[in-house]
Amino acid sequence: GDSVTQMEGPVTLSEEAFLTINCTYTATGYPSLFWYVQYPGEGLQLLLKATKADDKGSNKGFEATYRKETTSFHLEKGSVQVSDSAVYFCALSGRGYQKVTFGIGTKLQVIP
Amino acid sequence: NAGVTQTPKFQVLKTGQSMTLQCAQDMNHEYMSWYRQDPGMGLRLIHYSVGAGITDQGEVPNGYNVSRSTTEDFPLRLLSAAPSQTSVYFCASSEGRATNEKLFFGSGTQLSVL
Repeated sequence: GDSVTQMEGPVTLSEEAFLTINCTYTATGYPSLFWYVQYPGEGLQLLLKATKADDKGSNKGFEATYRKETTSFHLEKGSVQVSDSAVYFCALSGRGYQKVTFGIGTKLQVIP
Repeated sequence: NAGVTQTPKFQVLKTGQSMTLQCAQDMNHEYMSWYRQDPGMGLRLIHYSVGAGITDQGEVPNGYNVSRSTTEDFPLRLLSAAPSQTSVYFCASSEGRATNEKLFFGSGTQLSVL
């Protein structure tokens, strides 16, 4: 079945540091790929998505590129802020009816 | 714009008690779903619905019932709570069934079963 692999963390960075959170997936066909973010005490919200190979999703300075050849969708940001502290979930949807499969989530802590 | 509303935010139950977690959306979304979030396991799909009167099981449906009598509401019922059901529960919706559509999440219900 479908699966998503990402590190749990926490990842601790200083403000303005470069961020990479790795995400790899297993799925048949051509799934859509997502990054969701969960701020403390809140539900998840979509950060960015990509729907086909080589697509780049971007939002709020975050980027991720759909790499079919390496089955990856790594999240990057050039300069993190304290306000980026949250849990980040990689997810895929590929088998109809929105059966979204989530990774375990990576907690990011940004310190001033 | 309320979006997806979940109640209650917190709940403590004793083993064997029953309760209903409420979920309502005001966006006229066709698709609704329930997830549970556990440490080290991410989010796992419990049940989902693709429209009023239509529900189906997800990855971890045992111990939970759902119904969808209206487009707006999708309650999750625990018939006999067990400590293994201690978790954070999220309701989500999306406009359609396509795999590239984003999910809108409620703010969650934190449930403890003693």
